[in-house]
Amino acid sequence: RKEVEQDPGPFNVPEGATVAFNCTYSNSASQSFFWYRQDCRKEPKLLMSVYSSGNEDGRFTAQLNRASQYISLLIRDSKLSDSATYLCVVIGMFSGGYNKLIFGAGTRLAVHP
Amino acid sequence: NAGVMQNPRHLVRRRGQEARLRCSPMKGHSHVYWYRQLPEEGLKFMVYLQKENIIDESGMPKERFSAEFPKEGPSILRIQQVVRGDSAAYFCASSPIGHSNTEAFFGQGTRLTVV
Repeated sequence: RKEVEQDPGPFNVPEGATVAFNCTYSNSASQSFFWYRQDCRKEPKLLMSVYSSGNEDGRFTAQLNRASQYISLLIRDSKLSDSATYLCVVIGMFSGGYNKLIFGAGTRLAVHP
Repeated sequence: NAGVMQNPRHLVRRRGQEARLRCSPMKGHSHVYWYRQLPEEGLKFMVYLQKENIIDESGMPKERFSAEFPKEGPSILRIQQVVRGDSAAYFCASSPIGHSNTEAFFGQGTRLTVV
C-alpha cells in the first residue's frame, strides 16, 4: 500500500461547480498534513495546511479524519484558474526517528467554461 | 529571505555525460529533499538529506545517482552517464530542522534533457 494515495483524476468540472478531493495515508503516526498546488511545468506551492479541527480559506476547505486516516480538500465556486494538480502531503515520524514529507501523486483538476 | 534556489533551470546533456544539479535551501533550513517528475507524472521522492548526512535515499536509483549536502554550499544531485530516461524535471525542497509541522518550500526545478 502506498504511503499516501490520491485519485489521479482528471476531474473535469464546469465553472462554479463544487469539487472535492480525498487523500488517504497509511502511517497512523503522521503528524502534519498539507495541500499543495502544482501548475503545469511549475514547482509545487503550498495551498493550505490541514488542521485537526478543519480549516477554511476563502473557497477552499480542508478537513482531517484521523480515525479513517484521510484528508480532504473542497473547492467551492470553481474558477478557471483553479485548474491545476493538487498534491496531498503528509509529515510523519518514520523508523530511524526522523520526520519526512511524503507526497501523493496528485489529483488533476480541469475547470472548463 | 530568498527562496529555494535551484540551478541551472535548464540543462542539456548528451548520453554518457554527467549532470550536476544544485540546490540552495532557504536561509535557516537544513533539510533538503530531491524529487523527480517525469512528463505527465507525479513527484517521485528520491532522497532526503540533512547537512553532511543522508537521512533517506530509498528513492534513489542504485546506480549512477548520488546526492550530497555539505556543511558549506548547496546540495548537489549528481547523475553520471546520463541516459534518455533521465530526462525529467528535478525539484528540490527545503524545510527547517526539527519542526514536524512545517511545510517544505520548493525551488523552481531543473529541467534536464538528455539528447
